[in-house]
Amino acid sequence: EAGVAQSPRYKIIEKRQSVAFWCNPISGHATLYWYQQILGQGPKLLIQFQNNGVVDDSQLPKDRFSAERLKGVDSTLKIQPAKLEDSAVYLCASSFVRGGNTEAFFGQGTRLTVV
Amino acid sequence: GQNIDQPTEMTATEGAIVQINCTYQTSGFNGLFWYQQHAGEAPTFLSYNVLDGLEEKGRFSSFLSRSKGYSYLLLKELQMKDSASYLCAVGTGGYNKLIFGAGTRLAVHP
Repeated sequence: EAGVAQSPRYKIIEKRQSVAFWCNPISGHATLYWYQQILGQGPKLLIQFQNNGVVDDSQLPKDRFSAERLKGVDSTLKIQPAKLEDSAVYLCASSFVRGGNTEAFFGQGTRLTVV
Repeated sequence: GQNIDQPTEMTATEGAIVQINCTYQTSGFNGLFWYQQHAGEAPTFLSYNVLDGLEEKGRFSSFLSRSKGYSYLLLKELQMKDSASYLCAVGTGGYNKLIFGAGTRLAVHP
């Protein structure tokens, strides 16, 4: 079974530029999460989708971050404009059961450096 | 509010046993997860507890007390490859929102 795919693996941009990350979850997984992990910290949930609907975006900085999950499969996360403090690893994860207690599977992440 | 606390760092000796504690205060509780994360890699699932008690999986065991908002991960017969961060996470809500603690960095020495 293929895992969660993310691209790109690394990205370096200047502040005020825009950037987009892509995630393809495990086939059949209805729940998709985007996390931001700053070096030395735990993952912070940015947004959670159930199929193509948003179920939690309470910690998403909506003035600069946006995300979508068209057709309930792939998802993109965009930052525009980027700030220095956005430097982090952006992790995508997916899980199978709505409201269930199954594990989330993580992709390898995208390491973003804003200079 | 949502709060998950873990020690920041721990050290242990190869072959020994180490216990990593996690306390949580969350609005809602679906279950508690432990993940392992090696430097520069993605978190990988280790264990899940939803009922009180101990779950054993080879060298790793995890314990939960819901009334105390407390869990621990027990690692036995430590190996050098166990040097990693260990993340405690709580699932909450109808869609299983996963909230992570800051992680515990474990260093295993010869």
